[in-house]
Amino acid sequence: DQQVKQNSPSLSVQEGRISILNCDYTNSMFDYFLWYKKYPAEGPTFLISISSIKDKNEDGRFTVFLNKSAKHLSLHIVPSQPGDSAVYFCAAASGANNLFFGTGTRLTVIP
Amino acid sequence: EPEVTQTPSHQVTQMGQEVILRCVPISNHLYFYWYRQILGQKVEFLVSFYNNEISEKSEIFDDQFSVERPDGSNFTLKIRSTKLEDSAMYFCASSGREPLYGYTFGSGTRLTVV
Repeated sequence: DQQVKQNSPSLSVQEGRISILNCDYTNSMFDYFLWYKKYPAEGPTFLISISSIKDKNEDGRFTVFLNKSAKHLSLHIVPSQPGDSAVYFCAAASGANNLFFGTGTRLTVIP
Repeated sequence: EPEVTQTPSHQVTQMGQEVILRCVPISNHLYFYWYRQILGQKVEFLVSFYNNEISEKSEIFDDQFSVERPDGSNFTLKIRSTKLEDSAMYFCASSGREPLYGYTFGSGTRLTVV
C-alpha cells in the first residue's frame, strides 16, 4: 500500500530554469510533509517541510506547495543549479510518527 | 552540525548469519528509527523507538529483526538469520520533538547477503 507516490522517476531541467517535483498522497491523516534530497551513498538530507495548516512554504530557492483537497504537494526549485542534481523524496507523517516516503524522483540539472 | 553516525558502512554476510548494524543518534534526540532502501526502490520504514521501547513497526520488521539501545547512546538493529532479500541500504535516523524539521539520517549501512 503506497501511501505516498511520486509518479515521475526522473526529471531533466536546464540550469537556471524551474524544477517542479510532484508528490501525491492517499492518507488524509498526514499533517506534515517533507522533502528530502539524497546523493548516492549518503542518507536522505532534510530540505524543506510544510504542515497541513499552510499551503506554501518558501526557503530560498525552494518552495513547497500543498493542495490538501487534491492530496498533492510539489517542490519548486528556481533557479535550478547543477548542484541540485540528486534524488528527491517526498515524505509524509501523521503527528510525530514515522515518515512514509515516496519512491523518489531523480533530478538532473543540465549546465 | 550534529550527525547521526552509522557503522559499518558496508557489511557482507552469509545467508543465515546474524548481523548487527550500529547507529549513534544525535545526543539530545528522543525518537529513533530504522529505514531501509532496497536498490532502486523507495525508502521503507522498519521501526521507531521511543522511551526505550518500540513505538511502531512495519510488517517488514518481523521476528528476525530486533532493536536495542544498550547504553543510552548506541541504537542497534539486529537481523538474526539473514536472507538474500535483506540486502539493502539500512538508514538510521533520529529526531527531536518537532517532526516538521525532519529527521536526521545517517549515511547508511550497505548490507549484502550472499
